[in-house]
Amino acid sequence: DADVTQTPRNRITKTGKRIMLECSQTKGHDRMYWYRQDPGLGLRLIYYSFDVKDINKGEISDGYSVSRQAQAKFSLSLESAIPNQTALYFCATSDYSTGNTGELFFGEGSRLTVL
Amino acid sequence: GDSVTQMEGPVTLSEEAFLTINCTYTATGYPSLFWYVQYPGEGLQLLLKATKADDKGSNKGFEATYRKETTSFHLEKGSVQVSDSAVYFCALSSGYSTLTFGKGTMLLVSP
Repeated sequence: DADVTQTPRNRITKTGKRIMLECSQTKGHDRMYWYRQDPGLGLRLIYYSFDVKDINKGEISDGYSVSRQAQAKFSLSLESAIPNQTALYFCATSDYSTGNTGELFFGEGSRLTVL
Repeated sequence: GDSVTQMEGPVTLSEEAFLTINCTYTATGYPSLFWYVQYPGEGLQLLLKATKADDKGSNKGFEATYRKETTSFHLEKGSVQVSDSAVYFCALSSGYSTLTFGKGTMLLVSP
């Protein structure tokens, strides 16, 4: 089983629908992140959390919200999806010891299509 | 703010050719530098890293040297294989453990 699990792996939805992407990890890491990948744009940080009570906006947080339900769970929500949120979304984790050098551990991604 | 610039792809090579993917960065202080690789249909995984100037990171035949004077971290491999076909991302971390990524470079290796 993967250490960082994202669900769903693929989702097609319509404009205006509410969508939640979930991430769970078994690595015991305290830090979790949501990134978005678009062709030609690389990865951009949406939100990150350094522990259960800590939530921080990344560079592209507009239109998204997150919830850190437990140390191992970090979900990303689109309250009202729009077509330009069509992208590949990645969850990632790190812990304090490797976090200081920046190593992240990624899930396999959730591909979201908004029609 | 921090930024990473890497060469645009795709880079197309024949098996056993020499590979260089250029990466330059802008950052305050002394960042850590990384190369991540994304194989088709998978998430990113760390390929190598360097945490201070003149450090050389290496893994799976790939290597990159942290050059502070030229703010560069170019990825090299002496002899690529078909299995190296992937997207390669240069990234930096200058504190607080959030990475800034480049846009990625696709490598295509033909037999």
